[in-house]
Amino acid sequence: DIQMTQSPSSLSASVGDRVTITCQASQDISNYLNWYQQKPGKAPKLLIYDASNLATGVPSRFSGSGSGTDFTFTISSLQPEDIATYYCQQYDRLFRTFGQGTKLEIK
Amino acid sequence: QVQLEQSGAEVKKPGASVKVSCKASGYSFSTYRISWVRQAPGQGLEWMGWISAYNGNTNYAQKLQGRVTMTTDTSTSTAYMELRSLRSDDTAVYYCARDSSGWEQFFDYWGQGTLVTVSS
Repeated sequence: DIQMTQSPSSLSASVGDRVTITCQASQDISNYLNWYQQKPGKAPKLLIYDASNLATGVPSRFSGSGSGTDFTFTISSLQPEDIATYYCQQYDRLFRTFGQGTKLEIK
Repeated sequence: QVQLEQSGAEVKKPGASVKVSCKASGYSFSTYRISWVRQAPGQGLEWMGWISAYNGNTNYAQKLQGRVTMTTDTSTSTAYMELRSLRSDDTAVYYCARDSSGWEQFFDYWGQGTLVTVSS
């Protein structure tokens, strides 16, 4: 099974800060990596697919990069409504795996 | 608009089974997979498996092999997830999600979640 290691597990930042989360795969997954945002009590929401593609309707302050085993998710200027937990998720032909999540809080 | 509407909360005893439904609308049901994802209280997301609404093919997470069965009813555009031999650590919110099966694969629409509580 492919394992996804996400870091940090929690993060505190100020409004306007640039925020970066990383995700590392246990083996090469090309660009088969998605990012989701989950707010408390809600279902996750797709933000980025295939490592760097912005999902429909997602603000441009969100971005993703990487390929192979190392991936980065960035919020260019943190907004109060971005407070949530963020998950990376890999896929192959048969399986999907989530990272353990990064809880983002306002400082 | 695409919607996935899940069945209501369940309380089950250890050893029992639960069956959660997910009714899809607003798109061609047979052209996508449905994945199931669960989240234990205060924990992260765990992918459970997917079912093709086109041909009924399934693929389950190894951890749940033998205890989970996913089915679909194309006449009602509904997907089902049955989990057997329930244990306390199966207590979680269970989500269905539309899972594209093309070149780009992601969960773009989600159900509202179904809380399953396993308690004696």
